[in-house]
Amino acid sequence: EVQLVQSGAEVKKPGESLRISCKASGYSFTSYWISWVRQMPGKGLEWMGNIDPSDSYTKYSPSFQGHVTVSTDNSVTTAYLQWSSLKASDTAMYYCAKHSVPYDSAGYPEKWGQGTLVTVSS
Amino acid sequence: EIVMTQSPATLSVSPGGRATLSCRASQSVRSSLAWFQQKPGQAPRLLIYGASTRATGIPARFSGSGSGTEFTLTISSLQSEDFAVYYCQQYINWPPWTFGQGTKVEIK
Repeated sequence: EVQLVQSGAEVKKPGESLRISCKASGYSFTSYWISWVRQMPGKGLEWMGNIDPSDSYTKYSPSFQGHVTVSTDNSVTTAYLQWSSLKASDTAMYYCAKHSVPYDSAGYPEKWGQGTLVTVSS
Repeated sequence: EIVMTQSPATLSVSPGGRATLSCRASQSVRSSLAWFQQKPGQAPRLLIYGASTRATGIPARFSGSGSGTEFTLTISSLQSEDFAVYYCQQYINWPPWTFGQGTKVEIK
């Protein structure tokens, strides 16, 4: 069974750094891209960026480029989303999602993690 | 960037009733359209891909139709567990994936 299990909720202060994780299992991790999606409180879904675990190639939405970094550790089949300096506006739920098409950035998000709530407040 | 517009924002339906949700794309996405269901406190769940193909385990009361710029998700006989927010998403013009703003299906 394909599973994406995300790390737990975080409470941080503005300016702090953070890395959240998405542990994948049940499929060939390096064969499928992983995307990250943001959902601000009471709002809709926004694609942030993604990564090809086979070579660590990344793509970012212009809205998030330079503010977040996506990476993987293939030895533990885990994807990461990190911030070097959080802002209050980063308060949101963050989801990882597995792409549907192997060896290709195309396709739709066929499986989602349960989400990680990030709260940034002074 | 392709803009996805869903209507209505909220749909009130009686249990056992029929719900028809619309999604419009700002330019053609052919059949590269997916629908997701999201319940409070849960992650989105894939319902439909390719505009009309149900994902694994999705009941037959969920059906999708359309192509190009106009799409519809129909729930034929609403069950209590179907009251949720529904999102459409295009994946032909990528990046980025773009989502509609959502339709909330509530109990009438």
